[in-house]
Amino acid sequence: DQQVKQNSPSLSVQEGRISILNCDYTNSMFDYFLWYKKYPAEGPTFLISISSIKDKNEDGRFTVFLNKSAKHLSLHIVPSQPGDSAVYFCAASVGRNYGQNFVFGPGTRLSVLP
Amino acid sequence: DTGVSQNPRHKITKRGQNVTFRCDPISEHNRLYWYRQTLGQGPEFLTYFQNEAQLEKSRLLSDRFSAERPKGSFSTLEIQRTEQGDSAMYLCASSTWDSEAFFGQGTRLTVV
Repeated sequence: DQQVKQNSPSLSVQEGRISILNCDYTNSMFDYFLWYKKYPAEGPTFLISISSIKDKNEDGRFTVFLNKSAKHLSLHIVPSQPGDSAVYFCAASVGRNYGQNFVFGPGTRLSVLP
Repeated sequence: DTGVSQNPRHKITKRGQNVTFRCDPISEHNRLYWYRQTLGQGPEFLTYFQNEAQLEKSRLLSDRFSAERPKGSFSTLEIQRTEQGDSAMYLCASSTWDSEAFFGQGTRLTVV
């Protein structure tokens, strides 16, 4: 049973528009969430994180929103750029573990069209 | 390049053979993690080292798998008597005590 779900395997967005990637989780013990980005032939790269004490965290063009009651988080990319085309993984953990026991979703492939 | 380095990048082996992968973390990182990623899935946690001590092992790490980190520097992951189900990307990551994990490019294992 997947504890972290990303129900959209792929998403296409026009350059300059907003990209919204969604993630749902089932384990109510999760209290730290991260997004990683992965280009082909490279390892995942940390993008942004959020603790459950917050409902929003922003870093430049990237904003993560957390809705604890719905067990849902989303990553907004504004404006989207062609270089953002990658696979995005949502991950969750119990406590801020820095890399230990992360539970990853299956990923969403984002394509930003010029 | 000062990132996490994994070798080899690709490994093809026959079923029943033993394989060993190496991970060189970022030099000042005392924490090291191994993950496995199969096609269409996200990475799955295998094990965690703090310095040379292996502090946690996932139930996914069967008796055929062993990981070491002698002297708290590089780490090796060995799979004995490989099975076709072991075919996957094996990812290593490292971090300090207060940084998020940096992943290597992975070792892709194919068991034929």
